Amino acid sequence: QTVVTQEPSLTVSPGGTVTLTCASSTGAVTSGSYPNWFQQKPGQAPRALIYSTTYKHSWTPARFSGSLLGGKAALTLSGVQPDDEAEYYCLLFCGGPWVFGGGTKLTVL
Amino acid sequence: EVQLVESGGDLVQPGGSLRISCAASGFTFSNFFMSWVRQAPGKGLEWVAKIRGDGSDIEYVDSVKGRFTISRDNAKNSLYLQMNGLRAEDTAVYYCAKFGVEWGLDFWGQGTLVTVSS
Repeated sequence: QTVVTQEPSLTVSPGGTVTLTCASSTGAVTSGSYPNWFQQKPGQAPRALIYSTTYKHSWTPARFSGSLLGGKAALTLSGVQPDDEAEYYCLLFCGGPWVFGGGTKLTVL
Repeated sequence: EVQLVESGGDLVQPGGSLRISCAASGFTFSNFFMSWVRQAPGKGLEWVAKIRGDGSDIEYVDSVKGRFTISRDNAKNSLYLQMNGLRAEDTAVYYCAKFGVEWGLDFWGQGTLVTVSS
């Protein structure tokens, strides 16, 4: 089955900007992969942030944005806040099954 | 308000069976695809299965095919996962999640813990 790859960890300073990416072992990620992004904090269920590449849920803060970047799905956080420290997961549609990436642990330091 | 509440998680011996449930409220359950996602202790998320609103269009991750069965009862606003032939590697928190528009997995339950151990 398809393997979806994310950066294992990233560090960003408060107020800074960081981009997380999500790559597919089968080739370029496209809008047809319907990329989703989720945030998960310890002991909590995941929270949806982005769907269908760029769309935000009604509760998604404006500082989060989704895009396609160099054949990958991307999640950009602008004006990072300490509360953004969390694990972030992408999810891709792979022609039948869906596959999560391994997650990116984002540290705000 | 959308609510998804999982139940039925338990300690099960290897090779055993268990059915977990998800009670949905706050939306027209029969109109939406639903999914199960699991998370082993200290590990990442793993998509497990999905089912269309009418009970058709079912897909599974390869590791559970032939052992797990996803189903739903729209009259009871409930989603189920029947798990047979359980293995230690099936130990995880199992989350119920709803697909919204444009294939967004928008709402999640709090999860139910399934432990497979002798």
